[in-house]
Parts: sequence; C-alpha cells; structure tokens
Amino acid sequence: DTGVSQDPRHKITKRGQNVTFRCDPISEHNRLYWYRQTLGQGPEFLTYFQNEAQLEKSRLLSDRFSAERPKGSFSTLEIQRTEQGDSAMYLCASRALAGGYNEQFFGPGTRLTVL
Amino acid sequence: DQQVKQNSPSLSVQEGRISILNCDYTNSMFDYFLWYKKYPAEGPTFLISISSIKDKNEDGRFTVFLNKSAKHLSLHIVPSQPGDSAVYFCAASDGTGFQKLVFGTGTRLLVSP
Repeated sequence: DTGVSQDPRHKITKRGQNVTFRCDPISEHNRLYWYRQTLGQGPEFLTYFQNEAQLEKSRLLSDRFSAERPKGSFSTLEIQRTEQGDSAMYLCASRALAGGYNEQFFGPGTRLTVL
Repeated sequence: DQQVKQNSPSLSVQEGRISILNCDYTNSMFDYFLWYKKYPAEGPTFLISISSIKDKNEDGRFTVFLNKSAKHLSLHIVPSQPGDSAVYFCAASDGTGFQKLVFGTGTRLLVSP
C-alpha cells in the first residue's frame, strides 16, 4: 500500500495525558499537512511541512500542540495535557512538489477521544 | 468566518438520477477548488478539481462547474450509484506556495436503489 498511513487509528486517553500520533506520507511527497476534523465540520488546517521545515501553523495549534518531521519523511503530532476539546479526528495529508496545483492525499486519520 | 459553505447538509437521490452538490465561497483569492468524498472512519478521498482559469472539468461520471462571478461551484454525478453514498466536501486553496485547503462542512449524499 503506497498511500498515506497514520498510527494509531484510534486513541482513548484521560484528560491531562500526553498523546502522540504518527503520519507516514506517500514516499515521494515532500509536502505534509495536518488537519483536525470535529463532528459536523470539515477538516481544519493545523500545520504544514515542506521537507523537514515547518512553514506554517494555524492559530488552532495552541502551545500544547507540537509537530515534527525530523528527516523530511514521517511526521509526528504531539498533544500535551490533553483536554476534552481536543477530541477529534486528526488527519494527515501529503502532496508532491510540482509546478501548478495538485491534490492532497489523505490518510485514514487518528480518532482521539479524551475522557 | 466560514469561507467555504455547503448549505445543504444532506441530499437524497434515486439510483440513475443526477446528484448536484453545491458549494459557495467568499474569498476571492481562492483559485483552486477540489471535491473530496469521505466514508465513515476513513480519510477524505480526492474526486475531482478545477482551477479558476476553467469553468468546467469532467472525469467520468463526475463534473465540476465553477462560476467565479457568483463564487459558486457545483459537483454533478451522473448517473448516481448507491456506492456514491458518502459525505462530500468542497475545498478551496488560495494559491499560495503552501496550498492549504479550506473545507466546507460537507453534504451527506444518499443514493437509494
């Protein structure tokens, strides 16, 4: 399978705990995005990487959130001191570096439930 | 503010008929538009896209129409099939180097046999 993969698919945690999600993009894609989707809403942009550089962060990404892409391949998204409002589907997408426009390919998502 | 709007939360269509899903946007800087389909417990799957230099793009049963003056786009599915039943998201990009996507809230399509 050469699509975008995410791990874990589901995570249940207690409020105040830290969680970390992993995303493996399509291998030749150097652009990686994280989005968050809550019930009844469309995905909302969180942050963007080009290779290992984090080039844009949404104001949705509070200080408790941190994302890395250390070698320009896989990425991790960590949430510290989770709150119930963090419960959502966290989606990762990747895109090839090419001239013009092209679509983003999404992974299956990690569903986070904070109790 | 909601820059991309899908005002119909749901749509029901009979198999074989046309499904028309609508999307409106407010940001005139958007110049690339996409439609994604999403099944429960899966990530969005890309369907079709259109750039602002075009007013129509067709791919098999799917056609997207763009009316820039009205800031409106629509997705036509002909003929509709039961397997098309899913949530459809309209998304837009403002053409910056990052090309982050701004999504609508989705329309749930149900195609009945």
